[in-house]
Amino acid sequence: KAGVTQTPRYLIKTRGQQVTLSCSPISGHRSVSWYQQTPGQGLQFLFEYFSETQRNKGNFPGRFSGRQFSNSRSEMNVSTLELGDSALYLCASSYEETQYFGPGTRLLVL
Amino acid sequence: SQKIEQNSEALNIQEGKTATLTCNYTNYSPAYLQWYRQDPGRGPVFLLLIRENEKEKRKERLKVTFDTTLKQSLFHITASQPADSATYLCALDVTYNTDKLIFGTGTRLQVFP
Repeated sequence: KAGVTQTPRYLIKTRGQQVTLSCSPISGHRSVSWYQQTPGQGLQFLFEYFSETQRNKGNFPGRFSGRQFSNSRSEMNVSTLELGDSALYLCASSYEETQYFGPGTRLLVL
Repeated sequence: SQKIEQNSEALNIQEGKTATLTCNYTNYSPAYLQWYRQDPGRGPVFLLLIRENEKEKRKERLKVTFDTTLKQSLFHITASQPADSATYLCALDVTYNTDKLIFGTGTRLQVFP
């Protein structure tokens, strides 16, 4: 089976812009979680979707949002980008309590 | 406050020795604890899962222990090899029946020949 894929892999934006990141889970996985990873804060949970419904949400401002489609693919959106949003954004799909991570999207906000 | 701490930012050991990594947590009651490996520029890779009612789990050269009284997990790599050099992350599932994981700070392991 193909692994979790994320697009794009790299992205450069400027402050105030918005960005949409995409994640395709492993075939058959219905749960998708998103994490933000920075050197200072480590890996932090953003949100989790299961069967198109947000099941959990982390402690991030409302500028961070996501959705899941009927084929389990997921997108996350960050509006009004800030310099502090520069990070590696990781998506993971789950099966039997194990999370399978994608390679991440590295976002740089200038 | 709730915290997950892993021992020291970096651990350097000689090839062939056993590496022991620590994960301590406070104010959580996890259903299970997981260990992941992360190489630079890549996403974490699942290694082992241990449940709250299990004391020890093994997989090849890896061993994990889980003490819910001490609120601590130990992760051992025996006969370590330079290829084991990576960052190791522990993660707790604290929400039961969902997939939200809380990750520790990570320990960077360097195995030198």
